[in-house]
Amino acid sequence: EVQLVQSGSELKKPGESLRISCKGSGYSFSSYWISWVRQVPGKGLDWMGRIDPSDSQTNYSPSFQGHVTISADTSITTAYLQWSSLEASDTAMYYCARGSGSFWGDFDYWGPGTLVTVSS
Amino acid sequence: EIVLTQSPGTLSLSPGERATLSCRASQRDSSTYLGWYQQKPGQPARLLIYGASRRAPGIPDRFSGSESGTDLTLTISRLEPEDFAVYYCHQYDNSPALTFGGGTRVEIK
Repeated sequence: EVQLVQSGSELKKPGESLRISCKGSGYSFSSYWISWVRQVPGKGLDWMGRIDPSDSQTNYSPSFQGHVTISADTSITTAYLQWSSLEASDTAMYYCARGSGSFWGDFDYWGPGTLVTVSS
Repeated sequence: EIVLTQSPGTLSLSPGERATLSCRASQRDSSTYLGWYQQKPGQPARLLIYGASRRAPGIPDRFSGSESGTDLTLTISRLEPEDFAVYYCHQYDNSPALTFGGGTRVEIK
Protein backbone atom coordinates (compact mmCIF):
# COMPACT_ATOMS: atom_id res chain seq x y z
CA GLU A 1 0.00 0.00 0.00
CA VAL A 2 1.39 3.38 -1.02
CA GLN A 3 1.66 5.77 1.92
CA LEU A 4 3.08 9.21 2.51
CA VAL A 5 3.51 9.91 6.21
CA GLN A 6 4.25 13.46 7.26
CA SER A 7 5.79 14.87 10.42
CA GLY A 8 3.65 16.44 13.09
CA SER A 9 2.34 19.95 13.61
CA GLU A 10 4.79 22.72 14.38
CA LEU A 11 4.51 25.98 16.31
CA LYS A 12 7.40 28.33 15.56
CA LYS A 13 8.34 31.96 15.99
CA PRO A 14 9.12 34.36 13.14
CA GLY A 15 12.75 34.10 12.10
CA GLU A 16 13.13 30.50 13.27
CA SER A 17 14.13 27.66 10.96
CA LEU A 18 12.12 24.53 10.30
CA ARG A 19 12.27 21.28 8.37
CA ILE A 20 9.24 19.07 7.88
CA SER A 21 9.30 15.59 6.43
CA CYS A 22 7.36 13.20 4.23
CA LYS A 23 8.20 9.50 4.34
CA GLY A 24 7.12 7.35 1.43
CA SER A 25 6.49 3.63 1.63
CA GLY A 26 4.89 0.89 -0.42
CA TYR A 27 6.47 1.93 -3.70
CA SER A 28 9.81 2.69 -5.33
CA PHE A 29 10.51 6.04 -3.74
CA SER A 30 13.17 7.05 -6.27
CA SER A 31 10.89 6.51 -9.24
CA TYR A 32 8.30 9.23 -8.60
CA TRP A 33 8.46 12.99 -8.26
CA ILE A 34 7.39 14.39 -4.90
CA SER A 35 5.78 17.83 -4.80
CA TRP A 36 4.92 20.10 -1.90
CA VAL A 37 1.61 21.96 -1.83
CA ARG A 38 0.65 24.77 0.54
CA GLN A 39 -2.86 25.50 1.75
CA VAL A 40 -3.43 28.59 3.85
CA PRO A 41 -6.38 28.00 6.23
CA GLY A 42 -9.65 28.52 4.39
CA LYS A 43 -7.90 29.09 1.07
CA GLY A 44 -6.94 27.13 -2.04
CA LEU A 45 -3.98 25.02 -3.08
CA ASP A 46 -0.58 26.41 -4.09
CA TRP A 47 2.11 24.29 -5.72
CA MET A 48 5.48 25.08 -4.17
CA GLY A 49 7.92 22.87 -5.98
CA ARG A 50 9.02 19.33 -6.67
CA ILE A 51 11.93 16.95 -6.34
CA ASP A 52 13.06 13.91 -8.28
CA PRO A 53 14.39 11.71 -5.45
CA SER A 54 16.58 9.69 -7.83
CA ASP A 55 18.93 12.61 -8.48
CA SER A 56 17.60 15.36 -6.18
CA GLN A 57 16.72 17.57 -9.14
CA THR A 58 14.41 20.29 -7.85
CA ASN A 59 12.13 22.85 -9.42
CA TYR A 60 10.33 25.64 -7.61
CA SER A 61 7.34 27.83 -8.25
CA PRO A 62 8.52 31.43 -8.70
CA SER A 63 6.33 32.32 -5.72
CA PHE A 64 8.42 30.14 -3.41
CA GLN A 65 11.87 30.17 -5.06
CA GLY A 66 14.48 31.33 -2.57
CA HIS A 67 12.19 31.05 0.44
CA VAL A 68 12.07 27.26 0.84
CA THR A 69 14.33 24.33 0.07
CA ILE A 70 13.17 20.88 -1.00
CA SER A 71 15.41 17.87 -0.51
CA ALA A 72 15.22 14.11 -0.26
CA ASP A 73 17.10 11.18 1.25
CA THR A 74 16.50 7.99 -0.69
CA SER A 75 18.19 5.84 1.99
CA ILE A 76 15.26 6.56 4.29
CA THR A 77 12.70 7.28 1.53
CA THR A 78 11.98 10.72 2.91
CA ALA A 79 11.46 14.12 1.33
CA TYR A 80 11.85 17.38 3.18
CA LEU A 81 10.64 20.95 3.01
CA GLN A 82 12.64 23.51 4.94
CA TRP A 83 12.75 27.18 5.79
CA SER A 84 15.75 29.09 7.14
CA SER A 85 13.69 32.01 8.40
CA LEU A 86 9.97 31.63 8.89
CA GLU A 87 7.45 34.42 8.50
CA ALA A 88 3.95 34.72 9.89
CA SER A 89 2.65 34.37 6.33
CA ASP A 90 4.09 30.83 6.24
CA THR A 91 1.28 29.71 8.55
CA ALA A 92 -0.47 27.00 6.54
CA MET A 93 -1.04 23.31 6.02
CA TYR A 94 1.68 21.72 3.92
CA TYR A 95 1.06 18.58 1.92
CA CYS A 96 3.50 16.33 0.14
CA ALA A 97 2.12 14.55 -2.90
CA ARG A 98 3.39 11.92 -5.31
CA GLY A 99 3.32 12.54 -9.03
CA SER A 100 1.83 9.63 -10.95
CA GLY A 101 4.70 8.33 -13.05
CA SER A 102 5.11 10.17 -16.33
CA PHE A 103 2.44 12.69 -15.35
CA TRP A 104 4.38 14.47 -12.65
CA GLY A 105 1.61 16.95 -11.87
CA ASP A 106 -1.17 14.40 -11.37
CA PHE A 107 -0.86 13.73 -7.66
CA ASP A 108 -2.23 10.26 -7.02
CA TYR A 109 -1.17 9.99 -3.38
CA TRP A 110 -1.06 12.71 -0.75
CA GLY A 111 0.27 12.89 2.76
CA PRO A 112 -2.16 13.91 5.53
CA GLY A 113 -0.53 17.32 5.84
CA THR A 114 1.66 19.13 8.37
CA LEU A 115 0.22 22.22 10.00
CA VAL A 116 2.81 24.94 10.49
CA THR A 117 1.90 27.88 12.70
CA VAL A 118 4.24 30.85 12.87
CA SER A 119 3.41 33.29 15.63
CA SER A 120 5.31 35.49 18.03
CA GLU B 1 1.86 32.74 -15.45
CA ILE B 2 -1.21 30.71 -16.34
CA VAL B 3 -4.32 31.63 -14.36
CA LEU B 4 -7.20 29.19 -13.90
CA THR B 5 -10.59 30.74 -13.17
CA GLN B 6 -13.24 28.46 -11.74
CA SER B 7 -16.96 29.12 -11.77
CA PRO B 8 -19.22 29.28 -9.97
CA GLY B 9 -17.56 29.89 -6.63
CA THR B 10 -20.32 27.96 -4.88
CA LEU B 11 -22.86 25.54 -6.30
CA SER B 12 -25.92 24.75 -4.18
CA LEU B 13 -27.60 21.53 -5.25
CA SER B 14 -29.56 18.61 -3.86
CA PRO B 15 -28.51 14.96 -3.82
CA GLY B 16 -29.41 13.31 -7.10
CA GLU B 17 -28.98 16.50 -9.13
CA ARG B 18 -26.40 17.06 -11.83
CA ALA B 19 -23.42 19.32 -11.11
CA THR B 20 -21.48 21.15 -13.80
CA LEU B 21 -18.26 22.89 -12.76
CA SER B 22 -16.23 25.10 -15.08
CA CYS B 23 -12.58 26.09 -15.25
CA ARG B 24 -11.11 28.53 -17.78
CA ALA B 25 -7.38 28.78 -18.44
CA SER B 26 -5.78 32.11 -19.38
CA GLN B 27 -3.76 30.22 -21.99
CA ARG B 28 -3.49 26.67 -23.19
CA ASP B 29 -1.44 24.64 -25.65
CA SER B 30 -0.90 20.98 -26.45
CA SER B 31 1.93 20.64 -23.95
CA THR B 32 -0.24 21.30 -20.91
CA TYR B 33 -2.11 18.79 -18.82
CA LEU B 34 -5.41 19.43 -17.08
CA GLY B 35 -7.33 17.73 -14.32
CA TRP B 36 -9.53 17.93 -11.26
CA TYR B 37 -9.19 17.26 -7.53
CA GLN B 38 -11.79 16.88 -4.80
CA GLN B 39 -11.10 18.04 -1.26
CA LYS B 40 -13.21 17.43 1.82
CA PRO B 41 -12.72 19.30 5.11
CA GLY B 42 -9.72 18.13 7.07
CA GLN B 43 -8.47 15.92 4.25
CA PRO B 44 -5.88 16.24 1.51
CA ALA B 45 -7.08 16.56 -2.06
CA ARG B 46 -7.95 13.47 -4.10
CA LEU B 47 -7.23 13.13 -7.79
CA LEU B 48 -10.46 12.68 -9.76
CA ILE B 49 -9.62 13.44 -13.38
CA TYR B 50 -6.32 13.63 -15.27
CA GLY B 51 -5.57 14.32 -18.90
CA ALA B 52 -8.75 16.44 -18.92
CA SER B 53 -11.09 13.46 -19.24
CA ARG B 54 -9.54 10.31 -17.73
CA ARG B 55 -10.88 9.11 -14.40
CA ALA B 56 -8.26 8.26 -11.82
CA PRO B 57 -8.34 4.69 -10.46
CA GLY B 58 -11.26 4.07 -8.11
CA ILE B 59 -13.22 7.16 -9.14
CA PRO B 60 -16.92 6.43 -9.77
CA ASP B 61 -18.18 6.86 -13.32
CA ARG B 62 -20.63 9.57 -12.26
CA PHE B 63 -17.59 11.87 -12.47
CA SER B 64 -16.59 12.94 -15.97
CA GLY B 65 -14.30 15.56 -17.42
CA SER B 66 -14.21 17.30 -20.77
CA GLU B 67 -12.35 20.14 -22.45
CA SER B 68 -12.93 22.61 -25.24
CA GLY B 69 -10.15 25.03 -26.05
CA THR B 70 -9.25 26.82 -22.84
CA ASP B 71 -12.36 25.57 -21.01
CA LEU B 72 -12.41 22.53 -18.77
CA THR B 73 -15.60 21.03 -17.36
CA LEU B 74 -16.23 18.58 -14.53
CA THR B 75 -19.64 16.93 -14.49
CA ILE B 76 -21.09 14.91 -11.64
CA SER B 77 -24.07 13.15 -13.16
CA ARG B 78 -26.00 12.48 -9.94
CA LEU B 79 -24.74 13.93 -6.70
CA GLU B 80 -24.23 11.51 -3.85
CA PRO B 81 -24.02 12.77 -0.23
CA GLU B 82 -20.25 12.16 -0.22
CA ASP B 83 -19.74 14.41 -3.27
CA PHE B 84 -20.38 17.64 -1.39
CA ALA B 85 -16.88 19.09 -1.21
CA VAL B 86 -14.55 21.62 -2.83
CA TYR B 87 -13.30 20.92 -6.34
CA TYR B 88 -10.10 22.31 -7.84
CA CYS B 89 -8.99 22.25 -11.43
CA HIS B 90 -5.29 22.23 -12.14
CA GLN B 91 -2.96 22.67 -15.09
CA TYR B 92 0.70 21.82 -15.47
CA ASP B 93 3.41 21.49 -18.06
CA ASN B 94 7.01 20.37 -18.25
CA SER B 95 8.60 23.81 -17.89
CA PRO B 96 7.71 22.87 -15.06
CA ALA B 97 4.84 24.94 -13.76
CA LEU B 98 1.66 23.93 -12.01
CA THR B 99 -1.36 26.04 -11.16
CA PHE B 100 -4.56 25.30 -9.28
CA GLY B 101 -7.84 27.08 -9.79
CA GLY B 102 -9.46 28.89 -6.89
CA GLY B 103 -11.98 26.12 -6.25
CA THR B 104 -15.72 25.53 -6.48
CA ARG B 105 -17.61 24.54 -3.35
CA VAL B 106 -20.49 22.14 -3.97
CA GLU B 107 -22.87 22.45 -1.05
CA ILE B 108 -26.16 20.87 -0.10
CA LYS B 109 -29.13 23.02 -0.99
